[in-house]
Amino acid sequence: GQNIDQPTEMTATEGAIVQINCTYQTSGFNGLFWYQQHAGEAPTFLSYNVLDGLEEKGRFSSFLSRSKGYSYLLLKELQMKDSASYLCAAMDSNYQLIWGAGTKLIIKP
Amino acid sequence: DAEITQSPRHKITETGRQVTLACHQTWNHNNMFWYRQDLGHGLRLIHYSYGVQDTNKGEVSDGYSVSRSNTEDLPLTLESAASSQTSVYFCASNLAGKGGHNEQFFGPGTRLTVL
Repeated sequence: GQNIDQPTEMTATEGAIVQINCTYQTSGFNGLFWYQQHAGEAPTFLSYNVLDGLEEKGRFSSFLSRSKGYSYLLLKELQMKDSASYLCAAMDSNYQLIWGAGTKLIIKP
Repeated sequence: DAEITQSPRHKITETGRQVTLACHQTWNHNNMFWYRQDLGHGLRLIHYSYGVQDTNKGEVSDGYSVSRSNTEDLPLTLESAASSQTSVYFCASNLAGKGGHNEQFFGPGTRLTVL
């Protein structure tokens, strides 16, 4: 079957760095997406990886290892506004997104 | 500015009633999707469309239907609402073409309660 695993909740301190992990098992693979979702709002796109390696975009970076079925989202210089859920989604061979349940990130002052 | 809107934003209905949720996008995207989001679950795909007159079933399509008569709209109909369909519903769209860096843009969501 197809499955995405990510931690349910994480806590970090303002100004610090946090890494949110995601492992996936899909029928075929066409890329890995990360989305941010604030409470009561719609998901918004953060990043896309299809090749192995690290993609950096400002304070956010995303890493992919296709051989390990593994990705992480790295958030640096955490701000209170980063408190949100982070959704990992893998695109399968039919180009459909398989979504994880999301990681709720709590930022403490 | 292009956008994707959903209406109503909140809906309370009774078991057995037919309910239609509207989704309208001005991105001129060919692809449109309906998801439901429940606590403890990832977004689950209900139906999707790759263009006018095209509709496809997703992972959790039972009890739902869609129609695509134009590029901008993909209404979702619950034929006979059930309490298990209480959820938050998101509509999304993206550019045509399978795969690639075609991120989906999401509407603000509709919170549906079935009593």
